[in-house]
Amino acid sequence: QVQLVQSGAEVKKPGASVKVSCKASGYTFTGYFIHWVRQAPGQGLEWMGRINPNSDGTNYAQKFQDRVTMTRDTSISTGYMELIRLTSDDTAVYYCARASAVVPNLLDYWGQGTLVTVSS
Amino acid sequence: DIVMTQSPDSLAVSLGERATINCKSSQSVLYSSNNKNYLAWYQQKPGQPPKLLIYWASTRESGVPDRFSGSGSGTDFTLTISSLQAEDVAVYYCQEYYNAPFTFGPGTKVDIK
Repeated sequence: QVQLVQSGAEVKKPGASVKVSCKASGYTFTGYFIHWVRQAPGQGLEWMGRINPNSDGTNYAQKFQDRVTMTRDTSISTGYMELIRLTSDDTAVYYCARASAVVPNLLDYWGQGTLVTVSS
Repeated sequence: DIVMTQSPDSLAVSLGERATINCKSSQSVLYSSNNKNYLAWYQQKPGQPPKLLIYWASTRESGVPDRFSGSGSGTDFTLTISSLQAEDVAVYYCQEYYNAPFTFGPGTKVDIK
């Protein structure tokens, strides 16, 4: 069965960076885009960007363009999202999600989420 | 960027009654080449990731109960829960997957009256 398992919670200081991992199983990793979505406490969902694990091509939301990097390691079927220059506004649960191969950009499976807390 | 809005912000419905959530996009998400609306609905329960319910505005994801239905086209969409069950208490989000940045609506919280 399809599973996306994310790395554990992180606590970071303002100005630091965080790298969240997303290990995929149950399907061919290179056949499906991975998207990243975040959710601040008590707030809605915010799309951050996506990576094509086959080509390594990425698309980022304008808001995160200069601070986010999405990468992947196909040998271990894992995607990564790194966010730099963290502020308290980056405190959120970060989700990875798989995009359907049949319906472009439709998020059909989600990871369990990784809480990133930014605090001095 | 496409802006998604939802109404109401929250609603409380008696068990077995109908719940209706509206979603509006700032521009059409109907793709003329395939006549499909690039609009999805997700359900999120506390402490859980979102779960896909509906795509193409009206196609239920496999395993989703048939009390959930989606309708609408272009810029105006509706999610209907025909007979609310206790397990349907959640926040519901619409999302356009037509153009990056694939924005979500702000969410509608559904509770039991």
